[in-house]
Amino acid sequence: AQSVTQPDIHITVSEGASLELRCNYSYGATPYLFWYVQSPGQGLQLLLKYFSGDTLVQGIKGFEAEFKRSQSSFNLRKPSVHWSDAAEYFCAVATNAGKSTFGDGTTLTVKP
Amino acid sequence: DAGVIQSPRHEVTEMGQEVTLRCKPISGHNSLFWYRQTMMRGLELLIYFNNNVPIDDSGMPEDRFSAKMPNASFSTLKIQPSEPRDSAVYFCASMRTGDYEQYFGPGTRLTVT
Repeated sequence: AQSVTQPDIHITVSEGASLELRCNYSYGATPYLFWYVQSPGQGLQLLLKYFSGDTLVQGIKGFEAEFKRSQSSFNLRKPSVHWSDAAEYFCAVATNAGKSTFGDGTTLTVKP
Repeated sequence: DAGVIQSPRHEVTEMGQEVTLRCKPISGHNSLFWYRQTMMRGLELLIYFNNNVPIDDSGMPEDRFSAKMPNASFSTLKIQPSEPRDSAVYFCASMRTGDYEQYFGPGTRLTVT
């Protein structure tokens, strides 16, 4: 069975600083990988996804993620964080049956 | 597109009462998922449907929970009888098979007193 680990429960960064959120997955086949963002009181919104091809994928709001098969990782990055990026971020892996497994989430706080 | 629609957005009920949560998926999406989110347990998949048929209900906590999808545009999650430990935010998500990208509704915040 697939699993997702987000090692950091909470991260605090200063506005304008760079950001990296970690995600490690476990899945026996080629994974379909996602990052979602959840703002308070909202549902989850897709930031980006990786299915195949270029291992560096670009998403919305200036986010990008890099798939590293050798490390079973799919870390999310942003070069300069804005106060509006404060939210909870979820990494997910989907099987070819369509079912997704989500990590426990990382809460991002942005300091002014 | 209106996105995934859930109702009600908030529900407060007393222990022992029946609760019904509703979801309208995005038109053209043929997979539907029900999740529960709590601080303690995070985001849990309860059940998912494909073409209106329940595929995996292994996440349904107990017999008090039931879900139906009578047609492609409507699904319900029912809790009967409700208990305080059912308090959570319940999300519905829909997906077009083969896309793997799930679109989430705004959630229903359930409080059972």
